[in-house]
Parts: sequence; C-alpha cells; structure tokens
Amino acid sequence: RKEVEQDPGPFNVPEGATVAFNCTYSNSASQSFFWYRQDCRKEPKLLMSVYSSGNEDGRFTAQLNRASQYISLLIRDSKLSDSATYLCVPPASGSARQLTFGSGTQLTVLP
Amino acid sequence: DARVTQTPRDKVTEMGQEVTMRCQPILGHNTVFWYRQTMMQGLELLAYFRNRAPLDDSGMPKDRFSAEMPDATLATLKIQPSEPRDSAVYFCASGASGAGGKKFFGPGTRLTVL
Repeated sequence: RKEVEQDPGPFNVPEGATVAFNCTYSNSASQSFFWYRQDCRKEPKLLMSVYSSGNEDGRFTAQLNRASQYISLLIRDSKLSDSATYLCVPPASGSARQLTFGSGTQLTVLP
Repeated sequence: DARVTQTPRDKVTEMGQEVTMRCQPILGHNTVFWYRQTMMQGLELLAYFRNRAPLDDSGMPKDRFSAEMPDATLATLKIQPSEPRDSAVYFCASGASGAGGKKFFGPGTRLTVL
C-alpha cells in the first residue's frame, strides 16, 4: 500500500454543491494533518492545518478517521473559485515528518 | 507579505547542461524543502534541510543532483548533467520548526530539458 493515496478525480460539481475528498494513509500515531490547494500552473498553498481529529473553517471541514486511516475534506456551497487541485498531507510519524503529499484531487465547479 | 522566492521561473536547456535553481526561504524559517512535480508522479520530495543541515535527501538521484544551503537565506538545487526526464516544476518550500508541518511554497522553476 502506498504511503498516501488520493482519488485523482476529476470531480465536476455544480455551483452550490457539497463535495468531499478522502485521503488514505499508512499507520500513524500523529493527529495533525494538512490540506493544500493548487491552482493550475501555480504553487500549492496551505488551505487548512488541523492538529486534532477535525477542524471547520467556513465552508470547509476537515476530519480525521483514525480507525479507517483516512482524512477528508468537505466543501459546502461550492464556488467557481474552489476549482483547483486539493493535496493532502496526512498524519505521519517518525522521520516522515509530514513530508509526503498525496497526488491531488482535481475539482471543477461548474456554473 | 513574506514569500518564498525562486529563480529562475523558467529554464529551457539542452541535455547534458548544468542547471542551478535558487531559493530564498521566508526570513526566520529554518526548514527548507525541495520538491519536484510532474503530471505522472505528483509532488516528490527531493531534499529537506533544517538549520541549513541536510536531513533527508533520499528522494534525490545522487549521481546528478545536489542540494545545498550556503547560508540561511539561500538554498540551491543543482542538476549536472541534466536529462530530458528531469523536466518538471521544481518547488522550494520553507517552514518554521515550531509550526508543525506547515509549508510555504515558492512559485516554482519550470525546467525543460531538450
């Protein structure tokens, strides 16, 4: 099993829809994780950093499911500007130091 | 607004040539990362420095790649000789050790090796 796995998509959703992405990871005792967004031909930018089992920031909710070893990102009331690739950095332990990114999930919000 | 800067932004070169990419981390950040991104492989970690010391460069092809931090304001990634398969976007990122795994990325260097 790969250290980090993400569904590449693409996810095409209408404006206003709710969409969720998952990111599975290997064993880790850590609870901190991150979601980044990357616009086309741009650098990744930090979207959410979470140091517990979950966090909510406006329309975005990030959660950790330790039993099933995945993290999720939920976007409510999606906007056209949410169109991007979403990269996860799941919990990591030891020397991994949260260096590994998922391959990204592509989201397109349609008018 | 503090940012990571990278130069050059674009580089086109011929196979066999030396390529040097530079990165200026955010002032005060003591961790620096080099990542390579391609469509096929996604973001791959090449090297990681803390307080200018290399901590992990296991992702880097040692025979042709080298990464250094001559001082706290400059990180370099060198490829010699370059090959077409090195074509990718190379991102530098920096972080503060007290900020967990948060990373701030530079705009990247888009490298094309012909």
